[in-house]
Amino acid sequence: QVQLQESGPRLVKPSETLSLTCTVSGGSINRYYWSWIRQPPGKGLEWIGYIYYSGNTNYNPSLKSRVTISVDTSKNQFSLKLNSVTTADTAVYYCARTITWFDPWGQGTLVTVSS
Amino acid sequence: QSALTQPASVSGSPGQSITISCTGTSSDVGGYNYVSWYQQHPGKDPKLMIYDVNKRPSGVSNRFSGSKSGNTASLTISGLQAEDEGDYYCSSHTSSSTPLFGGGTKLTVL
Repeated sequence: QVQLQESGPRLVKPSETLSLTCTVSGGSINRYYWSWIRQPPGKGLEWIGYIYYSGNTNYNPSLKSRVTISVDTSKNQFSLKLNSVTTADTAVYYCARTITWFDPWGQGTLVTVSS
Repeated sequence: QSALTQPASVSGSPGQSITISCTGTSSDVGGYNYVSWYQQHPGKDPKLMIYDVNKRPSGVSNRFSGSKSGNTASLTISGLQAEDEGDYYCSSHTSSSTPLFGGGTKLTVL
């Protein structure tokens, strides 16, 4: 079955850019939407944005000015860039296949913003 | 875009039934039959329990059911078990095609 795995730096300095990649295995990235979702420690889930395999994107209005999501179908991967990060961006970041629901999810990766 | 409204916590005894509500607006919950529910245990990724208001993915117990009335969706868990304890989140499609989550509900099995 389809599995997702997030990868990228776990520690980012304030004002720098957070970069993560999600690798899709067990199935093709084609034909679906793919989301990034985050969860600050002890808090709820926040949808960041999604990308279609063709490259079309949609972002959370509250993060839109700082977010870029891209896809590399040849590698079965999609990526997240969040710039000008602050400590408020410290969270577990998940990737997930998106239909009208999110499933499956990656295991999540904790990214800490700290100097 | 405000989060969907869920109760912060609910509780029930083993064997009982509980219901978690998820209230939005006509631009999200009320406007589409695209509400989903997720169960999250500490340190784990969320698990899809219900999609499209009332559909259950393969492998999810039939003790879990979903419904919707107007701008409020509900998740009902019957025959409560200790393993059901955890956090539950609803999500809905919206008129701007930007999915929205609820704030989450902590379920305690007494």
